[in-house]
Amino acid sequence: DAKTTQPNSMESNEEEPVHLPCNHSTISGTDYIHWYRQLPSQGPEYVIHGLTSNVNNRMASLAIAEDRKSSTLILHRATLRDAAVYYCIREGDNNNDMRFGAGTRLTVKP
Amino acid sequence: DTEVTQTPKHLVMGMTNKKSLKCEQHMGHRAMYWYKQKAKKPPELMFVYSYEKLSINESVPSRFSPECPNSSLLNLHLHALQPEDSALYLCASSQTLAGGEKLFFGSGTQLSVL
Repeated sequence: DAKTTQPNSMESNEEEPVHLPCNHSTISGTDYIHWYRQLPSQGPEYVIHGLTSNVNNRMASLAIAEDRKSSTLILHRATLRDAAVYYCIREGDNNNDMRFGAGTRLTVKP
Repeated sequence: DTEVTQTPKHLVMGMTNKKSLKCEQHMGHRAMYWYKQKAKKPPELMFVYSYEKLSINESVPSRFSPECPNSSLLNLHLHALQPEDSALYLCASSQTLAGGEKLFFGSGTQLSVL
């Protein structure tokens, strides 16, 4: 049970912002929300994670709803290299019990 | 060094063979993971080790046998596999199993069982 729900696919134009949603309605108070992405023929790559507050790093921003039942990964200016499958993961009961959901396949159009 | 190194990158084996996959990290991480990924599917958690002890076993068949001989090394021993076991096997590591730890993944071993 991955405990997260994401759209199967999304499209974006190059250099435009992308908002990737994730629902995790059964999240408990101490579960972190993680985002990873996987480019073709590579292992997953860490993007960002957070607990309650919004988070920013050089790759992306993470906006977490006040009730923590959903979150949004924001890529501020999509590039062709951002085309990947993006996975939202809710940590399981054993902390780093990191089970992947189905993910969102992001296509970036030039 | 922030790499997780997996060898071999590709492996073809028969159903009667015994082979091993190897994963190595030198980041001082004390938690290591094995995932299995079928084509166009998300990674599935198989095993988690913490401080060289098995912490999670996701009811994986006994033909897959994990081993963590030291904190830097994780092996997956394969014996009598089936064709449906063909997949990408990914290794990952994290500092510990505490909440909020980042996982670092290797590039995987692409396994084909004939």
